[in-house]
Amino acid sequence: SQTIHQWPATLVQPVGSPLSLECTVEGTSNPNLYWYRQAAGRGLQLLFYSVGIGQISSEVPQNLSASRPQDRQFILSSKKLLLSDSGFYLCAWRMAGGTGELFFGEGSRLTVL
Amino acid sequence: AQSVTQLDSQVPVFEEAPVELRCNYSSSVSVYLFWYVQYPNQGLQLLLKYLSGSTLVKGINGFEAEFNKSQTSFHLRKPSVHISDTAEYFCAVSSKAAGNKLTFGGGTRVLVKP
Repeated sequence: SQTIHQWPATLVQPVGSPLSLECTVEGTSNPNLYWYRQAAGRGLQLLFYSVGIGQISSEVPQNLSASRPQDRQFILSSKKLLLSDSGFYLCAWRMAGGTGELFFGEGSRLTVL
Repeated sequence: AQSVTQLDSQVPVFEEAPVELRCNYSSSVSVYLFWYVQYPNQGLQLLLKYLSGSTLVKGINGFEAEFNKSQTSFHLRKPSVHISDTAEYFCAVSSKAAGNKLTFGGGTRVLVKP
């Protein structure tokens, strides 16, 4: 069966520091991968998605970037964090084609101080 | 473009009472519909989905939803809620015409009171 893991689960970082959140999927190949963010009291905001290695699409301009160095690995990064980057980050995957159903990781809570 | 509207941002409900969460979508083509639940500090978990066939869909934890094409709705119901149903619920829609991209509603926060 397929599983998705993301880490770290919790992160407290100072403003201006770098960020790296990692997500891996197991049990499937060539998944579509997604990064979402939830700010406090707000809904899901799609940040990035990827349909293949090295292929990244950005939904909104911001202080973050994403990379997909391997088929089942998706990384969210920042060179210098802002206070506004605080939130709950969710990685998700789905089968290419299919119905669009997404499978989510456990989430990573980032607090920027 | 497809879109999803969850009409209630918060729904307080007493334990053992019924609850209905409303969801309306906008799409001119055949759609797939989903309800997800998110417990505090966790990822989203699929409750149920409508792909085709029977318009009444049963999911986990006693939830069910009914697809109404004429009203473009996919309301979620549970006849008797538990304290453990306190969570945020997201409705979502996808379609082949939109490349199977999943579009989420803004979420409904359910607070079950004893």
